[in-house]
Amino acid sequence: KQEVTQIPAALSVPEGENLVLNCSFTDSAIYNLQWFRQDPGKGLTSLLLIQSSQREQTSGRLNASLDKSSGRSTLYIAASQPGDSATYLCAVTLMGGYSTLTFGKGTMLLVSP
Amino acid sequence: GAGVSQSPSNKVTEKGKDVELRCDPISGHTALYWYRQSLGQGLEFLIYFQGNSAPDKSGLPSDRFSAERTGGSVSTLTIQRTQQEDSAVYLCASSLGGQAGGPQHFGDGTRLSIL
Repeated sequence: KQEVTQIPAALSVPEGENLVLNCSFTDSAIYNLQWFRQDPGKGLTSLLLIQSSQREQTSGRLNASLDKSSGRSTLYIAASQPGDSATYLCAVTLMGGYSTLTFGKGTMLLVSP
Repeated sequence: GAGVSQSPSNKVTEKGKDVELRCDPISGHTALYWYRQSLGQGLEFLIYFQGNSAPDKSGLPSDRFSAERTGGSVSTLTIQRTQQEDSAVYLCASSLGGQAGGPQHFGDGTRLSIL
């Protein structure tokens, strides 16, 4: 059974810092990996999707990397801002069959002004 | 609207009552998913619909839970004889379908509280 772990569970940083969120998964036979953002009381917003054949994806100040063989992904946030405060979730889709997501429990990020 | 719409946004009910949660996916999306988000449990998959195929119900926690999708669009998740452990946020997502269907788009969820 696929298990997804995110470290740290919570992170507090001052504005302007660069930071890294970590995600690991136990079954490397994934189709893709997604990073989501969730604001309090809201649904999930997809930030980046990395296909299993890719090593990284970038969007603005966000960069996500994937090392499928070691079962790891990182989300790098450059020059953090208070508006980045949210919970960040990592999720994988297994190869073959349906495209349901298996989620980690998330990292709660607080960026202080 | 352009996004996934869920209703109600909040639901409070007494233990033992039945509840129905509604999801209206993005137009043209053939795949629809229900997930549950509980404190300390994270997000867990419940059920998946793809077009006219039989749904994947492997994530439903008990036979008190059921879901249907009418006309390949709107979906209803029904919980019968609710228990306090059913309290959670129920999230719906849709996508273009299949493993190459791109990212899933989520609604804001229904926060269910069982008294």
